[in-house]
Amino acid sequence: NAGVTQTPKFRILKIGQSMTLQCTQDMNHNYMYWYRQDPGMGLKLIYYSVGAGITDKGEVPNGYNVSRSTTEDFPLRLELAAPSQTSVYFCASSTEGDTEAFFGQGTRLTVV
Amino acid sequence: GQQLNQSPQSMFIQEGEDVSMNCTSSSIFNTWLWYKQDPGEGPVLLIALYKAGELTSNGRLTAQFGITRKDSFLNISASIPSDVGIYFCAWSGGSNYKLTFGKGTLLTVNP
Repeated sequence: NAGVTQTPKFRILKIGQSMTLQCTQDMNHNYMYWYRQDPGMGLKLIYYSVGAGITDKGEVPNGYNVSRSTTEDFPLRLELAAPSQTSVYFCASSTEGDTEAFFGQGTRLTVV
Repeated sequence: GQQLNQSPQSMFIQEGEDVSMNCTSSSIFNTWLWYKQDPGEGPVLLIALYKAGELTSNGRLTAQFGITRKDSFLNISASIPSDVGIYFCAWSGGSNYKLTFGKGTLLTVNP
């Protein structure tokens, strides 16, 4: 089982560039999440989705966009990268909101 | 919004010692979840609690859902070096039961 797959694993961006972090899951989960984790800090929710076609903001959505056109995919878009977006990004999925969430391996993003 | 406080922020212990960490909230929760994050990895679920007063064990780990539904603790007995990592409590609630994490407890185990 692949579970939750994130790509790329590492990326360096210049200020002002844009990129899309990919996330796909093969468990037919309804819920998908994007978190960011700054050094020594906990996980902050950026966006989440309760099903295809439905997305909602989390705690720190500014500077990011998401879409959920299929059950499997939940890409995260950075339009104008800023140094404050340097972080490790985790995608996760779960059957429902109060069931076990499975995480990807993370994407380490540096904006210079 | 809901306040979720996790303590301690970090712990340095000797191998073989027992560990206890806890989370408290300003609101009543329906679910408490405990995750562990190994260095360089994503978090992995350790224990899930769904009922007030529930006490659940998973090997050397024991977690309890507080009777007031506003707190939970996680105990690790006889710690070993591979217990090193960040432990998170998490709750599921709000209008869409989205998953929210505490700030984590960083555990270091000295052999």
